[in-house]
Amino acid sequence: ETGVTQTPRHLVMGMTNKKSLKCEQHLGHNAMYWYKQSAKKPLELMFVYSLEERVENNSVPSRFSPECPNSSHLFLHLHTLQPEDSALYLCASSQEEGSYGYTFGSGTRLTVV
Amino acid sequence: GNSVTQMEGPVTLSEEAFLTINCTYTATGYPSLFWYVQYPGEGLQLLLKATKADDKGSNKGFEATYRKETTSFHLEKGSVQVSDSAVYFCALVTGTASKLTFGTGTRLQVML
Repeated sequence: ETGVTQTPRHLVMGMTNKKSLKCEQHLGHNAMYWYKQSAKKPLELMFVYSLEERVENNSVPSRFSPECPNSSHLFLHLHTLQPEDSALYLCASSQEEGSYGYTFGSGTRLTVV
Repeated sequence: GNSVTQMEGPVTLSEEAFLTINCTYTATGYPSLFWYVQYPGEGLQLLLKATKADDKGSNKGFEATYRKETTSFHLEKGSVQVSDSAVYFCALVTGTASKLTFGTGTRLQVML
């Protein structure tokens, strides 16, 4: 247990479904992140939230919709996904000062069929 | 901008062999440097870090020294085990911006 909890661990969804990924941290961190990790590709930063405000959106398609209702929770809402969206989705958190690094969750393995 | 370059894998070693995974970086300002490890089916875990030049980070027998003159942060371990098989990511962050820049990762496979 790293302090960042992601649910579910595995998710299979059809292209017409709507689902949400959840991330929770109780480390007192002020920043939270969504990353996408695909096979044989570098980690892709998707979204950054700092103090519950979105500060970065790295050209992510609108079928991915993040939500940060408070500093401890982060969601990624999914709808009308494509098979190429199948990947490991990682959540991370950090204090505002970057020198402490990130704490990652174990990820949600998403398969779009 | 910031960037991290890691050696391409996979790196395949026999148990008890010496490990080096190279990492070099370019950064604006004075970065903090990190190694993360990802075991199969898991997220990334912080392995070690160094926040200023000549610092040595160490954990679980792994070491890396922050070399400002060569802009490097190579990961080393004197004797690897099968359980060290994983993907290793070098990363950096600069200033108060909390966004990490990752390398592409290096897969390590340790055989009996």
